[in-house]
Amino acid sequence: GESVGLHLPTLSVQEGDNSIINCAYSNSASDYFIWYKQESGKGPQFIIDIRSNMDKRQGQRVTVLLNKTVKHLSLQIAATQPGDSAVYFCAENSGGSNYKLTFGKGTLLTVNP
Amino acid sequence: DVKVTQSSRYLVKRTGEKVFLECVQDMDHENMFWYRQDPGLGLRLIYFSYDVKMKEKGDIPEGYSVSREKKERFSLILESASTNQTSMYLCASRQALNTEAFFGQGTRLTVV
Repeated sequence: GESVGLHLPTLSVQEGDNSIINCAYSNSASDYFIWYKQESGKGPQFIIDIRSNMDKRQGQRVTVLLNKTVKHLSLQIAATQPGDSAVYFCAENSGGSNYKLTFGKGTLLTVNP
Repeated sequence: DVKVTQSSRYLVKRTGEKVFLECVQDMDHENMFWYRQDPGLGLRLIYFSYDVKMKEKGDIPEGYSVSREKKERFSLILESASTNQTSMYLCASRQALNTEAFFGQGTRLTVV
């Protein structure tokens, strides 16, 4: 979701539950999307990506879903673990020859043991 | 293992100083980026470079300049640092369209 002011959207889950983090993107011409994880004091780390010709992609414990009709992206994390606690960002590449990645404001995931 | 290395983790500079933030990547990537990250605002693109000596303004270039003299190195320059430039600065590189960007560990700059 979108942040309001300086407040980061947060999601709090119990260890072992599944997590779903959502992202609304802005540009209907965007053709490539990435999810990043950022732990405190570190740079963002790649989790999974998806191209616009797909609507679902799976990795290890993670699944990304893309709904181009409503410009929505989601990240599902199965069996969430304490080590998954971090800020998660979606990023979009606006297509054509533009190399720029535009990031969402992020969602803070907290996993309670 | 791929690497993007930023020269400093923490920096404290005085208002009006000229500040250089250095970034080096060892993946022979064409494209390099500088972002700043502020609470609640996410990552905002300052400048990017798609080739040596080539640069393009991002979304918030005011108060910054960049230099790319060699493919592996991309420098961010604050000509005259101001307190509103206190932030976390992140460097990234990527090879091509539809590929991930790799990030450095970040430089937390405080301007006093």
